[in-house]
Amino acid sequence: DAKTTQPNSMESNEEEPVHLPCNHSTISGTDYIHWYRQLPSQGPEYVIHGLTSNVNNRMASLAIAEDRKSSTLILHRATLRDAAVYYCILNSGNTPLVFGKGTRLSVIA
Amino acid sequence: NAGVMQNPRHLVRRRGQEARLRCSPMKGHSHVYWYRQLPEEGLKFMVYLQKENIIDESGMPKERFSAEFPKEGPSILRIQQVVRGDSAAYFCASSPPKNPRGNTIYFGEGSWLTVV
Repeated sequence: DAKTTQPNSMESNEEEPVHLPCNHSTISGTDYIHWYRQLPSQGPEYVIHGLTSNVNNRMASLAIAEDRKSSTLILHRATLRDAAVYYCILNSGNTPLVFGKGTRLSVIA
Repeated sequence: NAGVMQNPRHLVRRRGQEARLRCSPMKGHSHVYWYRQLPEEGLKFMVYLQKENIIDESGMPKERFSAEFPKEGPSILRIQQVVRGDSAAYFCASSPPKNPRGNTIYFGEGSWLTVV
């Protein structure tokens, strides 16, 4: 699977939007962009995934650059419960997901 | 629809004992994955199984570790002769039969193994 690059950590104020960036310049045409998050002492949780078009669900939005070399996970209104490690992963469906170090998001009340 | 169920949630073993971790996938899911997370480290893939078959065990230590997913019953991750370095959180995930829309998998809450 192609490699992704994410900032080690980010901070956000509660009730403000959060934009979590991910660079994946070596993405292939069949790679989907997946986002997972892991809250403290819990298993990873699926957040969202997409291929080319922007995606929205009840948890977040995924904005994908036109050249697909980067993407941004958008939490529209951060809450304290959103404090977690967020992982951006590329996968074409043929191999198990490979988790990197992710971005540790802190939310300040 | 119950999620991925793992048990036990917490397990304490003395050095040299065996640890057995169980995972029941989500209903309708026939693929199971095991990951390990050492303290303060990231998730590392261990093994990928389908019913009665090991598909990819490239992340599994060569000795003392084994995994199975029988035709009936849960998937089992077995660690023989545990050592302190095996202390970690072990996460199981499952997915439906090959998903052409990218491999979205769903995780359980994990089993925390402590070796004393």
